[in-house]
Amino acid sequence: EVQMMESGGGLVQPGGSLRLSCAVSGFTFSSYAMSWVRQTPGKGLEWVSGISSGGSTYHADSVKGRFTISRDKSKNTLYLQMNNLRAEDTAVYYCAQGGRGGSDYFCSHWGQGTLVTVSS
Amino acid sequence: DIVMTQSPDSLAVSLGERATINCKSSQSVLYSSNGKNYLAWYQQKPGQPPKLLIYWASTRESGVPDRISGSGSGTDFTLTISSLQAEDVAVYYCQQYYSSPYTFGQGTKLEIK
Repeated sequence: EVQMMESGGGLVQPGGSLRLSCAVSGFTFSSYAMSWVRQTPGKGLEWVSGISSGGSTYHADSVKGRFTISRDKSKNTLYLQMNNLRAEDTAVYYCAQGGRGGSDYFCSHWGQGTLVTVSS
Repeated sequence: DIVMTQSPDSLAVSLGERATINCKSSQSVLYSSNGKNYLAWYQQKPGQPPKLLIYWASTRESGVPDRISGSGSGTDFTLTISSLQAEDVAVYYCQQYYSSPYTFGQGTKLEIK
């Protein structure tokens, strides 16, 4: 059974930093693309960042230069380093497993999400 | 960036009737070298993460009932629920994964009439 558990969310001041983690199990983590997707309360979904099985990374323009996605295959863990946070980054952040191809970014499984609140 | 536009924004359908949700991309998501459309559909119920329903525009995810189907190619796609059940009440999203950023539609809220 695929399991994904995000952690690291919380309240942070504008300009601050947070690192989100997503611990996964139940599949061969190294073989799949992974994504972070966020959702503002009551609003729609926004794809934020993705990393291929080979380590190529992609980011939405809204977070480029501020957020960095990475993965530790030895720990079966996905990360999102978020710097220079803004109020508009407030959202529930989900980690998501991609397709089997290693570079297919549909989201086959999702974690339960972690809430990030950026406020003074 | 590829813009995904869903229609309608909300939809009310009677139990047992057909529900149709449309998704249009601002450019083609059909990859000519493999003939695949890089388009997925998700269902999200309140308080839950989204759930994958359809990928490659028409491939049903394991466990998804066969009353739910996806169709379309290029820039125009449709999610169809052939006979609406109460458990289908949710918000539905399309997503293109053809090119980064892998954008979502704005969502369509499906309710019972």
